[in-house]
Amino acid sequence: GNSVTQMEGPVTLSEEAFLTINCTYTATGYPSLFWYVQYPGEGLQLLLKATKADDKGSNKGFEATYRKETTSFHLEKGSVQVSDSAVYFCALGVKNYGGATNKLIFGTGTLLAVQP
Amino acid sequence: DTEVTQTPKHLVMGMTNKKSLKCEQHMGHRAMYWYKQKAKKPPELMFVYSYEKLSINESVPSRFSPECPNSSLLNLHLHALQPEDSALYLCASSPAGVTAGNQPQHFGDGTRLSIL
Repeated sequence: GNSVTQMEGPVTLSEEAFLTINCTYTATGYPSLFWYVQYPGEGLQLLLKATKADDKGSNKGFEATYRKETTSFHLEKGSVQVSDSAVYFCALGVKNYGGATNKLIFGTGTLLAVQP
Repeated sequence: DTEVTQTPKHLVMGMTNKKSLKCEQHMGHRAMYWYKQKAKKPPELMFVYSYEKLSINESVPSRFSPECPNSSLLNLHLHALQPEDSALYLCASSPAGVTAGNQPQHFGDGTRLSIL
């Protein structure tokens, strides 16, 4: 089956520290992979995506590489800011039965708290 | 600014009330989704619409009734809800069709629902 395992939080860092949030997956076929971010009181925002093996998604200083050999999609940022404090969800995207829509399988989410 | 608009942002209702949640998108997406999110948890899929037709119902109780009146609008009608239905309700949309599996879903900011 399809599943996503995400590192437990909370992750607490000082401003300008390096961030890694681990995400591994199990999947049949060739899924797409996504990172979403949820700020307090808001919905989910797409942070970055990768649709095939070795693709690197990047946005706002965040990066993640689709590693098929290790079934991983770890999120990294070189220097975090207080404004990056949020919950981060790793998600796997597969086609729904019938193929016209997709289904997101989410990890449990990781709370990131960045201190000044 | 989110491209998926949900109203109202907050809703408080009694267990005997009838209310509706609304979702609107103008990105031309033909797949639309309803999710329920409890605190500190990932979103749980409730319903999927494909080309204005209900394609997936994830065994949601009948007190939740979805409706898709046109390609831009999605409603969720609520009746006789229980206290455990208190949650953040998120709407999302994505392109539909043969490339659906690779497409991200775009989320609204949600409606925070409280059942008294």
